Amino acid sequence: GENVEQHPSTLSVQEGDSAVIKCTYSDSASNYFPWYKQELGKRPQLIIDIRSNVGEKKDQRIAVTLNKTAKHFSLHITETQPEDSAVYFCAARRPANSGGSNYKLTFGKGTLLTVNP
Amino acid sequence: GAVVSQHPSWVICKSGTSVKIECRSLDFQATTMFWYRQFPKQSLMLMATSNEGSKATYEQGVEKDKFLINHASLTLSTLTVTSAHPEDSSFYICSETNSAEGKTQYFGPGTRLLVL
Repeated sequence: GENVEQHPSTLSVQEGDSAVIKCTYSDSASNYFPWYKQELGKRPQLIIDIRSNVGEKKDQRIAVTLNKTAKHFSLHITETQPEDSAVYFCAARRPANSGGSNYKLTFGKGTLLTVNP
Repeated sequence: GAVVSQHPSWVICKSGTSVKIECRSLDFQATTMFWYRQFPKQSLMLMATSNEGSKATYEQGVEKDKFLINHASLTLSTLTVTSAHPEDSSFYICSETNSAEGKTQYFGPGTRLLVL
């Protein structure tokens, strides 16, 4: 099955700096890679996602890059703000109905991002 | 986006009792729902995949007789933790896929279960 590794497990940055979180995946058939932000005690919220037919996607201060050959993808947050502090999870998913996928996501272990004022 | 609700938001029960958690999609029909468990400071662990009108598919190591899943309609899935024990205390979260958005997965607000 799919295995997703996420690094670092904790990341502390100063407000205004950039933050980068990296993930690798094992299943070359995976073609969808979402990122979720989870604040303490709350639900994970989708912040950005990328599909395997593109290499980069950007939404304001957030961007995701994908390297299919190396099987890794990264989340980039620029001009960080204290409200960006949360746990961030990456995930990977195979195409629907392939190998019993049924759209299920495999998550990384998460990165606790702390943005210091 | 999508709106997914979950009830109750938190529950405290005695050991040996059963607890039912409801997950509802409020603005779309969800043919597939997922149930996750999350222990403190850990990642989301998929427990089972729930398909409307058919039996749920459980992940390895998850006891299907202990965690009963019913997906009777396109807007409601339930998870029942039977004979709960303190080690079942966790944050249970459902999620649903929205076909209109390429099967993007949206999460419910979660249910915090504490078994005494």
